[in-house]
Amino acid sequence: DVKVTQSSRYLVKRTGEKVFLECVQDMDHENMFWYRQDPGLGLRLIYFSYDVKMKEKGDIPEGYSVSREKKERFSLILESASTNQTSMYLCASSLTRGGQPQHFGDGTRLSIL
Amino acid sequence: QQQVKQSPQSLIVQKGGISIINCAYENTAFDYFPWYQQFPGKGPALLIAIRPDVSEKKEGRFTISFNKSAKQFSLHIMDSQPGDSATYFCAASQVSYGKLTFGQGTILTVHP
Repeated sequence: DVKVTQSSRYLVKRTGEKVFLECVQDMDHENMFWYRQDPGLGLRLIYFSYDVKMKEKGDIPEGYSVSREKKERFSLILESASTNQTSMYLCASSLTRGGQPQHFGDGTRLSIL
Repeated sequence: QQQVKQSPQSLIVQKGGISIINCAYENTAFDYFPWYQQFPGKGPALLIAIRPDVSEKKEGRFTISFNKSAKQFSLHIMDSQPGDSATYFCAASQVSYGKLTFGQGTILTVHP
């Protein structure tokens, strides 16, 4: 079974801090994704990556950046955290570009105070 | 711009009943339509998916109906069970691109 592991289930940070969310997948998947989940808005794509050192903006990239130095690891960075970034963050991976299931981690609930 | 609209936002069904969740999309280039199921405290997991070359796909109690001309697709859960209580998301993408656009989600509650 594919396993996508997010480093923290709950995280509390202060406004203005630089925040790192880590995600690791164990199935040699090419593609990795970061979403945020908010009630009534569904899942919205922040950034995604089709290969090591590659990244593409999703629908809501403002205030975020990403890093993919190794194939199995995809990091989401909040450069200067703000209260409107309080949310559930979900990482996912898929084997190939399209028509394939995305496998999700269990999420990190991030609170910015 | 919400390219995939999902309804209803919440749904309550009695055990043994039929649950129906609807989605509508705008982008005619979409050619892959999956449904994801999410239980509390867990990430979403793929439930069933359809391509636009078929109008219906069934897997056990779960059926996707697809209407290409109306740009709509729906999930039907037959003989709904309390264990089906979860949040359901429809999604759409272009296979060549791989980026999924999700609907807003439906919270399904099945009463025993």
